[in-house]
Amino acid sequence: EPEVTQTPSHQVTQMGQEVILRCVPISNHLYFYWYRQILGQKVEFLVSFYNNEISEKSEIFDDQFSVERPDGSNFTLKIRSTKLEDSAMYFCASSLGSQRLSYEQYFGPGTRLTVT
Amino acid sequence: LAKTTQPISMDSYEGQEVNITCSHNNIATNDYITWYQQFPSQGPRFIIQGYKTKVTNEVASLFIPADRKSSTLSLPRVSLSDTAVYYCLGGNTGFQKLVFGTGTRLLVSP
Repeated sequence: EPEVTQTPSHQVTQMGQEVILRCVPISNHLYFYWYRQILGQKVEFLVSFYNNEISEKSEIFDDQFSVERPDGSNFTLKIRSTKLEDSAMYFCASSLGSQRLSYEQYFGPGTRLTVT
Repeated sequence: LAKTTQPISMDSYEGQEVNITCSHNNIATNDYITWYQQFPSQGPRFIIQGYKTKVTNEVASLFIPADRKSSTLSLPRVSLSDTAVYYCLGGNTGFQKLVFGTGTRLLVSP
């Protein structure tokens, strides 16, 4: 069964440093997402991406965050200057989208980001 | 997006059927109801989706009555590995953001 993959599984960084989280969505999917989950809290939407541009972003997704699809397979989330409160599990997801009336998004295993 | 309400936690034993109810009083005409499952330190996983009546797959059944103001996820004969958080979500397209609540934490004991 095809799956979303994410690297690294765990990233430790110092406050103020830039990090790039990488994701490989399912190959025929058209919509891509990033979510995050702070330990013990809800899964929160960050951003959705379609046709090489952002479709929607949340209040969390401020100027410190950016997303990119640099090639035909990778989807990245960059945090320019990390803060302590950015420590969380970051999940990438993808969906087939288009005319399919399905809410089925496929999530990756996550990257645990620890900012010290 | 429909606002959903579900119990914070439930306990069960192996082999029992578990029913988790979700209320969504303000569900829109074109909203679907979708359930996701999340194990600790893993991403959510799609379980089942429905619009009305009953939907069944190899994992679960979903019952949505005619008024669609609530739905029930039914897990037949649960095992220890079904211990997870279960989320009920409402929405109408396959490419919208998912809005997760706190979900229902199911604990299955031997």
